[in-house]
Amino acid sequence: AQSVTQPDIHITVSEGASLELRCNYSYGATPYLFWYVQSPGQGLQLLLKYFSGDTLVQGIKGFEAEFKRSQSSFNLRKPSVHWSDAAEYFCATGTASKLTFGTGTRLQVTL
Amino acid sequence: EADIYQTPRYLVIGTGKKITLECSQTMGHDKMYWYQQDPGMELHLIHYSYGVNSTEKGDLSSESTVSRIRTEHFPLTLESARPSHTSQYLCASSGKGDTEAFFGQGTRLTVV
Repeated sequence: AQSVTQPDIHITVSEGASLELRCNYSYGATPYLFWYVQSPGQGLQLLLKYFSGDTLVQGIKGFEAEFKRSQSSFNLRKPSVHWSDAAEYFCATGTASKLTFGTGTRLQVTL
Repeated sequence: EADIYQTPRYLVIGTGKKITLECSQTMGHDKMYWYQQDPGMELHLIHYSYGVNSTEKGDLSSESTVSRIRTEHFPLTLESARPSHTSQYLCASSGKGDTEAFFGQGTRLTVV
């Protein structure tokens, strides 16, 4: 069965600092991988997705993620965090009709 | 603009009331989903539909019911709300290729 682990429940970074959110997956074949962001009181917005090909994926809002099959990881990165990036971030795997989500990482940004 | 809409955004209701959460999408997607999200928890699929007159229960058992009479509309109903139903409910849809899901803004339900 597919599963997703987000080891960090809560991360705090200073504005302007770099960010890396961790995601490990378990999937039988080549996985479809996603990162979603959820601002307080909002739904989920897709940041980026990986299906195949280039293992470094660019997304919206300056985010990128790197697929590493050997480590079963799909970590999300941003070189310089903005205060507006404070939100909950969810990693997910599977197809749209069979998505498995991690428990999320709450990002706090200090000024 | 193609989108997915949920109403109401917030609902506080008394125990025993019947409620319907609305979800509509303008993207022409065949597949639609309802997820339940408790605070600090991951999302769990409670219902899905692959087309008109097709509905199935998801991985998480739920006392709610759904209907799909029109492609664009996928309402969720609770016949008798209880405090245990307090949660956030997220609607989503996906198109051909079954790749990515698009989410609505959610309905935060509080049953008192």
